[in-house]
Amino acid sequence: EVQLVESGGGLVKPGGSLRLSCAASGFTFSSYNMNWVRQAPGKGLEWVSSITSSSTYIFYADSLKGRFTISRDNAKNSLYLQMNSLRAEDTAVYYCARDERRYSSGRYYESLDYWGQGTLVTVSS
Amino acid sequence: DIQMTQSPSSLSASVGDRVTITCRASQSITRSLNWYQQKPGKAPNLLIYAASSLQSGVPSRFNGSGSGTDFTLTISSLQPEDFATYYCQQTYSTLMYTFGQGTNLEIK
Repeated sequence: EVQLVESGGGLVKPGGSLRLSCAASGFTFSSYNMNWVRQAPGKGLEWVSSITSSSTYIFYADSLKGRFTISRDNAKNSLYLQMNSLRAEDTAVYYCARDERRYSSGRYYESLDYWGQGTLVTVSS
Repeated sequence: DIQMTQSPSSLSASVGDRVTITCRASQSITRSLNWYQQKPGKAPNLLIYAASSLQSGVPSRFNGSGSGTDFTLTISSLQPEDFATYYCQQTYSTLMYTFGQGTNLEIK
């Protein structure tokens, strides 16, 4: 059974840092690209960052402006999100999600087929 | 960046109704469009990938269609468990994904 379990959320003051972790099990973690997606209270989903299976390529949402760093450790089946210079607007539930890639009609199609339960990050003084 | 616009933002319907949610991309995304369902306090659940392919385990009353810039999610006969928020997502921009703002489907 595929499982993704996030941890590391909590209350942090503006300007502070936090490191989120996502422990993966039930699949070959090193074969999949992974993502972080967040959801502010009462708001919609916002894609945050993606990392390819071997960490070769990394992408971030423009809104993060270099404050967040995604990484992974395939030996530990774990995904991470280092968040620095946190702001009140970063308050959200942070989900990790597996990126499934399927081939059809001449091209690949990606989708987020498994998600963790989320971890809440609250930025407040 | 590719922008995704969903309509309507909210929708009231009854059990047994047929409902349609639309999603428009700011540029052509071919068929790189997914639909998710999210219930309060839960993680999103993938319903449709590649515009029209049904994810394993998802009931056949969910149907996706469209290509290019215009897409629809249709629920053929609403069930009580379908009342939730629905999001579209483009994955045309490799590993730089964007979601629509969501459609809240409520019981009338």
